[in-house]
Amino acid sequence: QLVLTQSPSASASLGASVKLTCTLSSGHSSYAIAWHQQQPEKGPRYLMKLNSDGSHSKGDGIPDRFSGSSSGAERYLTISSLQSEDEADYYCQTWGTGSLVFGGGTKLTVL
Amino acid sequence: EVQLVESGGGLVQPGGSLRLSCAASGFTFSSYWMHWVRQAPGKGLVWVSRINSDGSSTSYADSVKGRFTISRDNAKNTLYLQMNSLRAEDTAVYYCARGRELLSRWGQGTLVTVSS
Repeated sequence: QLVLTQSPSASASLGASVKLTCTLSSGHSSYAIAWHQQQPEKGPRYLMKLNSDGSHSKGDGIPDRFSGSSSGAERYLTISSLQSEDEADYYCQTWGTGSLVFGGGTKLTVL
Repeated sequence: EVQLVESGGGLVQPGGSLRLSCAASGFTFSSYWMHWVRQAPGKGLVWVSRINSDGSSTSYADSVKGRFTISRDNAKNTLYLQMNSLRAEDTAVYYCARGRELLSRWGQGTLVTVSS
């Protein structure tokens, strides 16, 4: 069964960097994913598509501070030079046969 | 500018019906697959349904199969979600989103509350 696993929460200081993780279930390590950001009281926003080889393509207007990387079944989102507006929920998403799958989301707190 | 604007949400009693709409602009609507995704209060994102670009193929999450129907009118650049036999657990913000396998644009959502 295709499942995406994310840590429920993460925190980092203003100006620092943070690396969020999304883990694909066994047998699905070759899958690409998408990362989405959801700021408080807003709809989600597409950040990037991240392939299994670590290559990624970002959405329109996404700052260079956001980058992606991969290792095995792990997919990472790194945010550098953290700003207050980066405090949000981050979701990974992939696709199976006829349906989409979301991770449970990581709530990022900027200290 | 690409825009997706949902409407049609509101308060409905258990067992009732509601039809959501998603008005698309700023892109060639008829070229894109579309999805509905929902988010219960304080919870994460959950995929609900998808429709291909010409409306000939649809898919649903098990939790809504047989109760919800997704459709589109490419002449009106509008996506729909007909929701019947609504339950309390259908209470959520419903988002429409554009894309085939990854969702590259989202609307701002419309709140559906199922309660007596």
